[in-house]
Amino acid sequence: DAGITQSPRYKITETGRQVTLMCHQTWSHSYMFWYRQDLGHGLRLIYYSAAADITDKGEVPDGYVVSRSKTENFPLTLESATRSQTSVYFCASSGGLGGYTFGSGTRLTVV
Amino acid sequence: GENVEQHPSTLSVQEGDSAVIKCTYSDSASNYFPWYKQELGKGPQLIIDIRSNVGEKKDQRIAVTLNKTAKHFSLHITETQPEDSAVYFCAAISGGSYIPTFGRGTSLIVHP
Repeated sequence: DAGITQSPRYKITETGRQVTLMCHQTWSHSYMFWYRQDLGHGLRLIYYSAAADITDKGEVPDGYVVSRSKTENFPLTLESATRSQTSVYFCASSGGLGGYTFGSGTRLTVV
Repeated sequence: GENVEQHPSTLSVQEGDSAVIKCTYSDSASNYFPWYKQELGKGPQLIIDIRSNVGEKKDQRIAVTLNKTAKHFSLHITETQPEDSAVYFCAAISGGSYIPTFGRGTSLIVHP
């Protein structure tokens, strides 16, 4: 199906573990983004990418790593999860003309 | 950088009433202003947008107005229905960037 998909939808992990959140889009959009959403903070940009192999830090990048070896995939890795990274994570993509589409989100709980 | 302020943070209306959400932005180079609706447990979804060469845009019960001089734009929802209950986000994107700056969101509650 065309669109942007995130996996998993829900994830519980332990403090200190590495966890990867997946994002896949089928439009061949150049731009992809990762946001976290927490009560009282709205949407905060973690990392973004303008094309394959081009990534850059957003507002809150500490503790996260991204890669973009293929245009359609933009995984987000928490190298050593902390409780403060408990959040809902959204991936988004854009063709660059303003249209911006979000995935359904991954709810991550770090215990 | 761009700064987007959104008000109110919570808006409670009766079914059938109108609802207005306002945003201000700081960067005069911003030229694209989308609005997103986020229902519980879902990702934000684009509902309407406006570019800086247009002052108003309508789509059925929703409309967006833009005042470039005052650097503010607003979302208007008429004849509200319970299914309009959601969190609404405004955003601004500068012509020199592809990264939107989002407002903090407005929780709209429509009482039947």
